[in-house]
Amino acid sequence: EAGVVQSPRYKIIEKKQPVAFWCNPISGHNTLYWYLQNLGQGPELLIRYENEEAVDDSQLPKDRFSAERLKGVDSTLKIQPAELGDSAVYLCASSFRSDGRAVFGPGTRLTVL
Amino acid sequence: GENVEQHPSTLSVQEGDSAVIKCTYSDSASNYFPWYKQELGKGPQLIIDIRSNVGEKKDQRIAVTLNKTAKHFSLHITETQPEDSAVYFCAAGGLGNEKLTFGTGTRLTIIP
Repeated sequence: EAGVVQSPRYKIIEKKQPVAFWCNPISGHNTLYWYLQNLGQGPELLIRYENEEAVDDSQLPKDRFSAERLKGVDSTLKIQPAELGDSAVYLCASSFRSDGRAVFGPGTRLTVL
Repeated sequence: GENVEQHPSTLSVQEGDSAVIKCTYSDSASNYFPWYKQELGKGPQLIIDIRSNVGEKKDQRIAVTLNKTAKHFSLHITETQPEDSAVYFCAAGGLGNEKLTFGTGTRLTIIP
């Protein structure tokens, strides 16, 4: 069974440019998460979806970050414009709503120059 | 909100010895406590989890203990092997899919 798929794996952009990350969760998982992981730190939740609905986006910086999960499957996280401090690994995870056992993807490492 | 503290930040043990990593949490409403292993360049991988209705859970060489009264839980790895070298994260959250709060990680190194 395929795991959580993320693309791209690496992205280098200039500050003030836009960037987008894509995630394909495990088939059948109705809960999808986006986490931010800074170097040497644990993941921090940005947004959680139950199917198409964003049920927790309290930690998402809405002035520059946006996310969508159309049709309740794939999801896209966007940053516009990117800032130097956005350099980090962006992790996508998914789980069944019933057990909360989150399976993480490999992440996208973003470098903002 | 929930606050999770994890110790130690680094741990080196001789191959074959045991390793213990400890975490404390602040929110008494938390009732789900997973542990993740993260290797370089990879996403975190769930290795074991425990819910608040049990005090201990074991899976081969890995065990987790939970003390809800004291709000702490621990990961125990016995008979350590070189492939156990990685960063380990504890987390705490609500049952189901409520927000997980992660600790800051423990870099475990197994010395051959």
